[in-house]
Amino acid sequence: GAVVSQHPSWVICKSGTSVKIECRSLDFQATTMFWYRQFPKQSLMLMATSNEGSKATYEQGVEKDKFLINHASLTLSTLTVTSAHPEDSSFYICSARERGRGSNQPQHFGDGTRLSIL
Amino acid sequence: AQKVTQVQTEISVVEKEDVTLDCVYETRDTTYYLFWYKQPPSGELVFLIRRNSFDEQNEISGRYSWNFQKSTSSFNFTITASQVVDSAVYFCAPYDQTGANNLFFGTGTRLTVIP
Repeated sequence: GAVVSQHPSWVICKSGTSVKIECRSLDFQATTMFWYRQFPKQSLMLMATSNEGSKATYEQGVEKDKFLINHASLTLSTLTVTSAHPEDSSFYICSARERGRGSNQPQHFGDGTRLSIL
Repeated sequence: AQKVTQVQTEISVVEKEDVTLDCVYETRDTTYYLFWYKQPPSGELVFLIRRNSFDEQNEISGRYSWNFQKSTSSFNFTITASQVVDSAVYFCAPYDQTGANNLFFGTGTRLTVIP
């Protein structure tokens, strides 16, 4: 089956640090990847939609200068949390839509990244 | 735009009991899709089922079954003979064909199966 690898799985760092999270589709090409954020005991909230070779589309309320998204290839999207602060601590999950498959087909999710900012 | 309501925020059952998780959705689309995902304590999301609005047949997969009632806009999920490994948060997620063109997650139901 289609596998999405997300790295790192856990990050603890000091306030002010920038953190990069990678999302890779291992055995398929992904034209579209999604980035979600999930606070404890809450649902997944879509942050942005990332299309290969173009700028990401951010959801309302998500600062694009704060959360930099790059989708330079069909197998890799990255999310960089710039100058992270404690309020950015959350669980970040990516998902990928397989190239050539309809947009209503199941997305493939990574295992998530737990980000803790001290 | 979609809206989804998962009435139960938390449910606890004793192992081997049956449990039903409710999902009520709102949509203006005539054609739509509904998903259920499982999120165990480790955090990853596991796809369980995708159902399109044309198919109102109930579906059974092992101990899992889904009851889709278009007339009441419900897509309920039942686990039969629950096991401890079923403990997780379960999300009902309509597919949003407008705007984000993406999944829209409900608030989730946290299921705890007590041994």
